[in-house]
Amino acid sequence: KAGVTQTPRYLIKTRGQQVTLSCSPISGHRSVSWYQQTPGQGLQFLFEYFSETQRNKGNFPGRFSGRQFSNSRSEMNVSTLELGDSALYLCASSFRGLSGNSPLHFGNGTRLTVT
Amino acid sequence: DAKTTQPNSMESNEEEPVHLPCNHSTISGTDYIHWYRQLPSQGPEYVIHGLTSNVNNRMASLAIAEDRKSSTLILHRATLRDAAVYYCILYSQGGSEKLVFGKGTKLTVNP
Repeated sequence: KAGVTQTPRYLIKTRGQQVTLSCSPISGHRSVSWYQQTPGQGLQFLFEYFSETQRNKGNFPGRFSGRQFSNSRSEMNVSTLELGDSALYLCASSFRGLSGNSPLHFGNGTRLTVT
Repeated sequence: DAKTTQPNSMESNEEEPVHLPCNHSTISGTDYIHWYRQLPSQGPEYVIHGLTSNVNNRMASLAIAEDRKSSTLILHRATLRDAAVYYCILYSQGGSEKLVFGKGTKLTVNP
């Protein structure tokens, strides 16, 4: 079974621009969740999509948004980039979503650098 | 809101058992406890999870305190490949945060 695929692996953007990251989940998984990882804040939950609907959301500003397509692939968009958005962005897929009783399968992330 | 606390680092010798602690004193009754580990330049990898009872799988064991305010991930025989950052994560069913992450414990395994 193919794992979770995130593209691109690396991205460099300028302050003020916007960026779109992509995540392809494991086949059969309907839940995709997104995370930001920085040295200072560690891992933080952004949001979760399940069958094309946002089901849970973390404490991030509205500049961070996402969507999920009918094939369960998901995209995350960050608008008006700030220097502090530089981070590793991870997505994870799971069969039952964030119910607690279903493991998450993470991709290897997209490293975003904002200059 | 729920919170998890882990030691910043731990060290072990190869083929010895390792006990990685996590404190989650504000856990709610329906919150699951998950453990993941992360190698450099990779995403986190699922290790084990539980709710109330101790759990075992091929990778590790999870011991959950009777009051659920702490848990311990047990690697029975550490190998060099177990060197990673280990995260204790609560799946919070209530409160404002769905997932509560610990800061992680960096495990060093000495040959």
